[in-house]
Amino acid sequence: GAGVSQSPRYKVAKRGQDVALRCDPISGHVSLFWYQQALGQGPEFLTYFQNEAQLDKSGLPSDRFFAERPEGSVSTLKIQRTQQEDSAVYLCASSYRYQETQYFGPGTRLLVL
Amino acid sequence: AQRVTQPEKLLSVFKGAPVELKCNYSYSGSPELFWYVQYSRQRLQLLLRHISRESIKGFTADLNKGETSFHLKKPFAQEEDSAMYYCALKGGGYQKVTFGTGTKLQVIP
Repeated sequence: GAGVSQSPRYKVAKRGQDVALRCDPISGHVSLFWYQQALGQGPEFLTYFQNEAQLDKSGLPSDRFFAERPEGSVSTLKIQRTQQEDSAVYLCASSYRYQETQYFGPGTRLLVL
Repeated sequence: AQRVTQPEKLLSVFKGAPVELKCNYSYSGSPELFWYVQYSRQRLQLLLRHISRESIKGFTADLNKGETSFHLKKPFAQEEDSAMYYCALKGGGYQKVTFGTGTKLQVIP
C-alpha cells in the first residue's frame, strides 16, 4: 500500500523566503509527527498531531515555524523568513494511533541560500 | 530531559564478524527504546523495539536499565546490513521520540 509521502522532495529557497512542506500520511493514521534532521545528526522532534489537534509543538525552534493539519489528514509545515540554519531534511511520520509504530516519509531536503 | 548517545559515528566490520552498535540513554522514568535503520536511498524504518523482545534480521537488543544501555547486536554481519542505525527513546506523556546521532555500519566483504 501507499506509504507516507512528502512534497516537494527538494526545495531551494533564498534567505528570507517563506516555504511550505507537505506531508500525506498513511490513510487512517491518527498520529502525525514532524522531525528536522540536520546534516550528520539524528532526527529531532518538532511537533505532534493527533487528528487535527496539535498536542505538542515543543520542538519548533522558533515562531517562524508553524504546522497545521486542519482536517486531520494532510499536514503542512510552514517556515517563514527562512534562514540558513533552517537547511535540513524535514521528515514526516505517521502512526495508526497512540503507541503504534511510526512510519516515515522520504523527507524534504531544504536548502536555504 | 531525555538524551540518547551513540558514541560511534562509523563502525566497520568484516562480513561474518559480530556486530555491536552502542547506545546509552538518559531518562528519569521508564523509557521505551527503539532501533531504527536507514538503508542507502531508503526511508527511515523501525528495526526493533525493546518491548517486543524479538529478533529482526538477526539483530537483537536488550535493555539494561542498570547501565542505561540498549546496544544492538548481531552475531554474524552481512553485507546487506550496511546502513545507518539510529537508537531512539520515547518517554513522557506523548509521542515525543528522541534520536541519537546515528552510527554508520559498514560491512566489508
